[in-house]
Amino acid sequence: GAVVSQHPSRVICKSGTSVKIECRSLDFQATTMFWYRQFPKKSLMLMATSNEGSKATYEQGVEKDKFLINHASLTLSTLTVTSAHPEDSSFYICSATVAAKDTQYFGPGTRLTVL
Amino acid sequence: SQQGEEDPQALSIQEGENATMNCSYKTSINNLQWYRQNSGRGLVHLILIRSNEREKHSGRLRVTLDTSKKSSSLLITASRAADTASYFCATDAQGGSEKLVFGKGTKLTVNP
Repeated sequence: GAVVSQHPSRVICKSGTSVKIECRSLDFQATTMFWYRQFPKKSLMLMATSNEGSKATYEQGVEKDKFLINHASLTLSTLTVTSAHPEDSSFYICSATVAAKDTQYFGPGTRLTVL
Repeated sequence: SQQGEEDPQALSIQEGENATMNCSYKTSINNLQWYRQNSGRGLVHLILIRSNEREKHSGRLRVTLDTSKKSSSLLITASRAADTASYFCATDAQGGSEKLVFGKGTKLTVNP
């Protein structure tokens, strides 16, 4: 149980375009989902916390207009990288928690490359 | 700010040997978790230890927590080549938030 999926697993796009990444909890309802960014050989950096039906809470230094997060249902959160630039190239990972539980279950990640 | 700091940054051992990774943190916590990440993949939750626990076991994994020293260790016994991965500790942010703060990780290589 507690499986989280991400789609796509890998995306290459041109500079200036927008890219949407989906995060789904497959076998549980996730009241909270988190979006992380990971640079090569680095740790995960939390970008934002997403609660179903409410606006996402962004970490300091993360542009909310650049990284649009929508948590439309208890099983789906989306991250849209708007007007992507090469510096947005990174590994984006989502996670989800079951209500009142401590463990975050992570998706397999999405590798974004902006040309 | 970075909470967990693992050491060593990289560890290379032979199959069958034990691997010990350490994590230090700076603020009070409710729990500490260890995760594993294979190259280019997502994170897999290994074990959670609460602040009132001192040691926890799961299969070949043994985790200790010393809240007085603000440190934790992850021991993998009888390592296998398949244990090759990066290992991260993560602590909950202050105030009981669900947010996790990850350390920089230890890259473990187990040579067959």
